[in-house]
Amino acid sequence: DAGITQSPRYKITETGRQVTLMCHQTWSHSYMFWYRQDLGHGLRLIYYSAAADITDKGEVPDGYVVSRSKTENFPLTLESATRSQTSVYFCASSELDSDQPQHFGDGTRLSIL
Amino acid sequence: GQQVMQIPQYQHVQEGEDFTTYCNSSTTLSNIQWYKQRPGGHPVFLIQLVKSGEVKKQKRLTFQFGEAKKNSSLHITATQTTDVGTYFCAGSNAGGTSYGKLTFGQGTILTVHP
Repeated sequence: DAGITQSPRYKITETGRQVTLMCHQTWSHSYMFWYRQDLGHGLRLIYYSAAADITDKGEVPDGYVVSRSKTENFPLTLESATRSQTSVYFCASSELDSDQPQHFGDGTRLSIL
Repeated sequence: GQQVMQIPQYQHVQEGEDFTTYCNSSTTLSNIQWYKQRPGGHPVFLIQLVKSGEVKKQKRLTFQFGEAKKNSSLHITATQTTDVGTYFCAGSNAGGTSYGKLTFGQGTILTVHP
């Protein structure tokens, strides 16, 4: 899906550092989501956004911050990275509603040493 | 909160054998979706079921939604090596605190031996 892009694809950082993962979509979808994927846990929702300047917590929001100043961008920031935040992070978007089919980006593989 | 349990976690089959993964929710769902994730890839939407007892087919894939809208299954007939990947169900809660959000199951990792 070329319409939603994540950057970087891979990132290695150290505990305590601030890290920002970027997500950009070209479809003008209202809803955007951040998930983390860990073996045995499937996809867990971190934060989501219904529109610009509207964000809400998901299942595992602690340690993360999001913003959505423009419809097309939804960055995810780890303010002080911890090893437990080592994971694969997926951004997704949905046109109609928060529980409708979602389109995923290619993911960011984040390792925190 | 809402829980969506998916079994089995792993399934190894010989090419040509059938495969089924099951999804169970602790609450009634308004809809259920299925996604496929190839190794190293991202989840890709396959299908959405909305009605009680609904059955949908996509070539060799058959999707069912239970009468009580609390469970679902994905069945693949005569698996091929291209079916390899992780299959996720994702349910949307019909009410309560998780209303309007998708909850993903843990996924079933399918391996197909040629």
